[in-house]
Formats: sequence, C-alpha cells, structure tokens
Amino acid sequence: DAGVIQSPRHEVTEMGQEVTLRCKPISGHNSLFWYRQTMMRGLELLIYFNNNVPIDDSGMPEDRFSAKMPNASFSTLKIQPSEPRDSAVYFCASRVTGENTEAFFGQGTRLTVV
Amino acid sequence: GENVEQHPSTLSVQEGDSAVIKCTYSDSASNYFPWYKQELGKRPQLIIDIRSNVGEKKDQRIAVTLNKTAKHFSLHITETQPEDSAVYFCAALYGNNRLAFGKGNQVVVIP
Repeated sequence: DAGVIQSPRHEVTEMGQEVTLRCKPISGHNSLFWYRQTMMRGLELLIYFNNNVPIDDSGMPEDRFSAKMPNASFSTLKIQPSEPRDSAVYFCASRVTGENTEAFFGQGTRLTVV
Repeated sequence: GENVEQHPSTLSVQEGDSAVIKCTYSDSASNYFPWYKQELGKRPQLIIDIRSNVGEKKDQRIAVTLNKTAKHFSLHITETQPEDSAVYFCAALYGNNRLAFGKGNQVVVIP
C-alpha cells in the first residue's frame, strides 16, 4: 500500500481564493482525520470521519472551512475564502476504527496564503 | 474537553543522557496512548504506543509509562543520539474514536 496520499504537497494562493486539499486514506481504514499544524498550536484536530460520516467537526475554526468524504477512498478539505492566517501544514491521517491501532499520516500539504 | 497536555515544550539534552517527556489527558475512559516522532519537514510517525491494560512498554532505547490513576503518561529516551532530535507528540484516543494530540515537544540532542 502506498500509504495515505495527500495532494497537493505545496499550495500557494492569494487571499480570498478557494483552496481544496485532497486525501486518499489507506485501503481498509475506516477512520479519517484532518489536522492542521502550526508552531503555536501544534497538531490541531479539525474534523474526523468514521465510515465516511463526519463525527466531530468542533475543531473546524470557521465556516470558511468545510470537509467532505464522499466515499471510503477520498476526502477533501476546502477553505473558501482563504486568509493569510490559514497558512499552515495540513495533515490527513487514517486508521481502523474500534481497534487500538496506529494512525498513519500523509505527507501533508503546506499551504501558504499571501 | 478532551485535551492532551504536553510538557516541557522544548528539551535540550547532552548526547548519551536521557530525555523524558510527560503528557496528561482528561478522559479516564481513554485506553490507547501513542507517541509520534516528527523529523523536520516530514510527517509524524508512530514510535511506540501503550494500551491501558499495561503500565510500561519498552522498545530498545525508548519506553513509555502510563499512570491511569493520575491520567498521565511519559516517554523515556535513554542514551540519546543526534538522530533523536525531533518533535515528539503524545496522543490519546478518546471513547468516540477521537485521536487528540498534544502540542509537541522539541527535543534537541547536543553532540
């Protein structure tokens, strides 16, 4: 398995533009997490899904952020409109629900909003 | 809330010495506590984990201890080497499958 795959690896966009980050979890994993990493806040949990259903989105900072998981092999995190303070590294991770097992991270998307 | 607190934020140690990082969690129902290592520019990767039915687990130079009564767990790195320099994250899995991380500790091993 290629592991958790995120795209793009880097994204530079202008303030006000829409940004879409993509994630493909490991096949067979039924939990998917979106995290945002900054120096100040570390790894913040934004939202997570179990069996494609959003369970907890309390970490989503504002209504500008939205996430979807239309099927077991794909998820998106969208920011519209983007702002400079959204600049961070966004990680997707997946694991198997119901077992005390490892969560695997993707390589992350480094987002810069100018 | 379901939080994980991690201390200290930065830890510098001389090569060969031991490093200890401590974390506390808020939900007594948590039963899985992983530790991740993140090298510069890379993704976090699991280095060791512990389940609530054991108090200590070792893997070569790293070990994790768990005190369920006090709701804290610690990472111990012995005989530190330069390649141990990284950010270390603790995490706790809460009852609703929520995997929450601490803010991370920067460990610097001084040669």
